Amino acid sequence: DSGVTQTPKHLITATGQRVTLRCSPRSGDLSVYWYQQSLDQGLQFLIQYYNGEERAKGNILERFSAQQFPDLHSELNLSSLELGDSALYFCASSPEGYNEQFFGPGTRLTVL
Amino acid sequence: GQSLEQPSEVTAVEGAIVQINCTYQTSGFYGLSWYQQHDGGAPTFLSYNALDGLEETGRFSSFLSRSDSYGYLLLQELQMKDSASYFCAVRPQTGANNLFFGTGTRLTVIP
Repeated sequence: DSGVTQTPKHLITATGQRVTLRCSPRSGDLSVYWYQQSLDQGLQFLIQYYNGEERAKGNILERFSAQQFPDLHSELNLSSLELGDSALYFCASSPEGYNEQFFGPGTRLTVL
Repeated sequence: GQSLEQPSEVTAVEGAIVQINCTYQTSGFYGLSWYQQHDGGAPTFLSYNALDGLEETGRFSSFLSRSDSYGYLLLQELQMKDSASYFCAVRPQTGANNLFFGTGTRLTVIP
């Protein structure tokens, strides 16, 4: 158990819909990262938040957005969903300057 | 940009040694990491090389050569539970701490 929690574990929805994925980092970790893992694209970095502020952006679509709240939990919002958005979405956290990232169990999103 | 290439699949016998290679093209990075991921599970950290050379952690060792743009993960005394996907990853020198992952290698350990 990495100490990072993600909800829900599974999510099934239809094209065009909007969903919110939730992540709670390890106690004390200020950084939260979101990654997408699909069969054809591998593990891709989406976005990083540090202590409530956006720090880095990767290959995140404009239909996707995220935020980190004062209690440090983070939410990833996916809107106007397409079939290609079906993937595993991981959240990770780490202490500042630490080389290791701790990954949550992931949310499996299926868009029908 | 970044590009990290790994063999897609490797098969090895229980008790043997296997090497998983990672060749990269990157504009600059702080270090090379390795992560293990079992089917349906989350990536878990195995090792990190900030400098050239070999790092050993139990049955796992990792190597980095910046001059050759190359690294590898060495798994010794293979066990069935080592069957998993293995990813190399770099932390680009962008000021952030995000990881850029390689294409991944699926290791199958056979009896």
